[in-house]
This record gives sequence, structure tokens and C-alpha cells, in this order.
Amino acid sequence: DVKVTQSSRYLVKRTGEKVFLECVQDMDHENMFWYRQDPGLGLRLIYFSYDVKMKEKGDIPEGYSVSREKKERFSLILESASTNQTSMYLCASSSQDRAYEQYFGPGTRLTVT
Amino acid sequence: KQEVTQIPAALSVPEGENLVLNCSFTDSAIYNLQWFRQDPGKGLTSLLLIQSSQREQTSGRLNASLDKSSGRSTLYIAASQPGDSATYLCAVCEYSGGGADGLTFGKGTHLIIQP
Repeated sequence: DVKVTQSSRYLVKRTGEKVFLECVQDMDHENMFWYRQDPGLGLRLIYFSYDVKMKEKGDIPEGYSVSREKKERFSLILESASTNQTSMYLCASSSQDRAYEQYFGPGTRLTVT
Repeated sequence: KQEVTQIPAALSVPEGENLVLNCSFTDSAIYNLQWFRQDPGKGLTSLLLIQSSQREQTSGRLNASLDKSSGRSTLYIAASQPGDSATYLCAVCEYSGGGADGLTFGKGTHLIIQP
């Protein structure tokens, strides 16, 4: 079974802090994705990556950056956290070998105070 | 820009009924369509994937169909059970030169199965 893990289930940070959210997948998938989920707005794509050291902006990249130094790991970085970044963050991965079916991690609920 | 709509937003039915959840999308140039289940506070579980060349997929009591030309998909749940209570999300994947893009999601159907 594909496993996508995220470093924290719950995280509380202060405004202005630099925040790192980590995602690891164990199936050698080439594609990885970060989404956020908010009530009333649904899931929205922040950034994604086709391969190591590659990144593409999604629909809402402002205030975020990403890093993919190894194929299995994709990090989401909030350079200076703000209260409007309080959200559920979900990581996913996919592979051409599996028809790009996306597999999701359990999510990180981030609260910025 | 792709938009995905799910109808109804919420549904409550007695146990044992068969039910249909609807999903529509505005741009038919999709690579695939996925149906997910999400339990409260949890991540997404993939239920079914339909590639653009396929018409339907089945898994147990679930059947998903795809009519790409009309921009529609349905998820059919047979003999519903209380354990089916969850939010069901439809999402489409488009493809660009580098590979598969991220998913565009509908806002989901919140399903309650009454015992």
C-alpha cells in the first residue's frame, strides 16, 4: 500500500514564525502536491512538483514556498506565518505508473495565533 | 479555469437505500477523475479513479461513471450503510507537458446514512 506521512497532525505557531511542514511518501512517486482545505472553500492547490528540485505554482502559492531535495520528501514552507494561513494542510503523491492516481497523507492542522 | 461542482451539498437517507452523487466539470479536457471519501478531521481516501478513456469503474458497492463529453460523473452507492457516512469529494486531473497537474476539487457532498 502507498503510504504518505506528514510530520505533524497538529501544529500551533505564532504570527511571523517560519514554519516547515514535511511530507514523505514511500512509493517512489515522481509527483508530489500540497493543498490546503478550508470550510466553504474546499481543497485548493498550493504547489506541486514533478521531480526532484522541480516546483510548480498551484492556484494559491502566495505566502508559501516549497523544497524537494529528495524524491520521497516534499516540504512546504511558510516564510512568515500569518493568521490567514490557519488551515488543514494535505500532502499527496502520484505516479505515471499508477495513472496519476493521487494518494493523500493524514493532514496537518495548523493554527497560527 | 476548471470548475468542479457537486450536487447535492448534503444528503441524508435511511440505511439500505441506493443513492447517486453527482459531479460536473467545466472543461472536458481532463486526464482522469477521482472520487474520494473524507471522514471528519482526516485525510482523503481514494475510492475510484476513472481515466479519461474509461466510462466506469466499480469497487464493491461503489460504481463511478464518467461522461467526459458532457462533463459529468456520478458515484453510485448500493445498499448504503451507516459506515458510509462521510464527505465524498470529486476531483479532476488535467495534464500539461511536465506531467499530471494537481487536482481541482468540488466542495463535496456530506452524506449521512441513518441507522
